[in-house]
Amino acid sequence: GDSVTQKEGLVTLTEGLPVMLNCTYQTIYSNAFLFWYVHYLNESPRLLLKSSTDNKRTEHQGFHATLHKSSSSFHLQKSSAQLSDSALYYCALSDGATGGNNKLTFGQGTVLSVIP
Amino acid sequence: AQTIHQWPVAEIKAVGSPLSLGCTIKGKSSPNLYWYWQATGGTLQQLFYSITVGQVESVVQLNLSASRPKDDQFILSTEKLLLSHSGFYLCAWSGVNQDTQYFGPGTRLLVL
Repeated sequence: GDSVTQKEGLVTLTEGLPVMLNCTYQTIYSNAFLFWYVHYLNESPRLLLKSSTDNKRTEHQGFHATLHKSSSSFHLQKSSAQLSDSALYYCALSDGATGGNNKLTFGQGTVLSVIP
Repeated sequence: AQTIHQWPVAEIKAVGSPLSLGCTIKGKSSPNLYWYWQATGGTLQQLFYSITVGQVESVVQLNLSASRPKDDQFILSTEKLLLSHSGFYLCAWSGVNQDTQYFGPGTRLLVL
């Protein structure tokens, strides 16, 4: 079945340094969608980025990610971390099937802690 | 705008007691609905999904059941809780044939 791997459980960064959260995946579906969700404490997880297009950079709110199907990766990046970026980040995959179950397969999540 | 509400926010329950968690979506007609669960230290995994009223499909067997009594309501329940049911429960919706899911704030459940 599908799987998503986020190797880092916790990333601690000093404000202003670049952010890179790793995400790799396995799926047999060529039309798979990859997502990054951000979960702030006491809020709903919300979509940060998504992509199904190979080698195309996707950007939102200062974050960006590029889906690389050749390496099965969808790493999340930001040029300069802010204190407000501290949150739990999930990488997730859906197989792109239309109709029926649009099941999301999640990685373990990475806590990003930005310190002054 | 669509809103999704989950209740209760948190619960502490005894082993063997019944459970009912609810989810309501407003502002979206005929959404696909999903229940996800995350055990402490575990990964979010899908439990159930529903594409129409009265129809629910189980994805993972956890001695839980789900129902969709109304178009905008999704209920997760069990008659007898197990310790292993502890964790974080998330409800989500998506449009039909749409890839993005939108999540509620979740319910934290502790079974003692």
